[in-house]
Amino acid sequence: DIQMTQSPPSLSASVGDRVTITCRANQSIGNFLNWLQQRPGTAPKLLIYAASNLQTGVPSRFSGSGSGTDFTLSISRLQPEDFATYYCLQTYTTPRAFGQGTRVDFK
Amino acid sequence: QVQLQESGPGLVKPSQTLSLTCTVSGGSVNIGTYYWTWIRQPAGKGLEWMGRIYTNGVTDYSPALKSRVRISMETSTNEFSLRLNSVTAADTAVYYCARDISGTWGNALDYWGQGKLVTVAS
Repeated sequence: DIQMTQSPPSLSASVGDRVTITCRANQSIGNFLNWLQQRPGTAPKLLIYAASNLQTGVPSRFSGSGSGTDFTLSISRLQPEDFATYYCLQTYTTPRAFGQGTRVDFK
Repeated sequence: QVQLQESGPGLVKPSQTLSLTCTVSGGSVNIGTYYWTWIRQPAGKGLEWMGRIYTNGVTDYSPALKSRVRISMETSTNEFSLRLNSVTAADTAVYYCARDISGTWGNALDYWGQGKLVTVAS
């Protein structure tokens, strides 16, 4: 089965900061990767699909890159509503696998 | 706008069967580009993919749960369901249903239900 490793597990940042989260697969998954955001007490929300495609309605400060085994989610200018937990998800094959999550909180 | 809503008991006794239903509105479950998926999340922990069902009834399950889980679909009511048997306290979690859309660009979990907390306790 494919395993996804996210880093860092958590980070502290300020409004306006640039934030980068990485996700690594233990085998190549092409660009079959989603990034999801989960605010406390709510369901996850799709941000990016196919590694770099922004879901409709998602602000352009979010971007994704990578292919194969290494992927990155970037938030260019952190906004108050961006403090949340972010998950990567491989959609290359089943069973699907999520990363462990990266919590972004206030510095 | 597609919406998904989980329903079912919020409390299940150990060793019994957890049963949840996801009702889909704003779209049909009987469209060939969608897989209908269950995911769970224990309190304070990450997301766990449990399994999915395609419109033709074909299912995929997590190897960790395969012996205990069943996902089914009822097209007449536009619903799909989860059954997890022989539950223990470790199965206490928020259970989400979601749509896994398939396209030429790949797949994405694009719509999610709000989640249903299920507690396993006597």
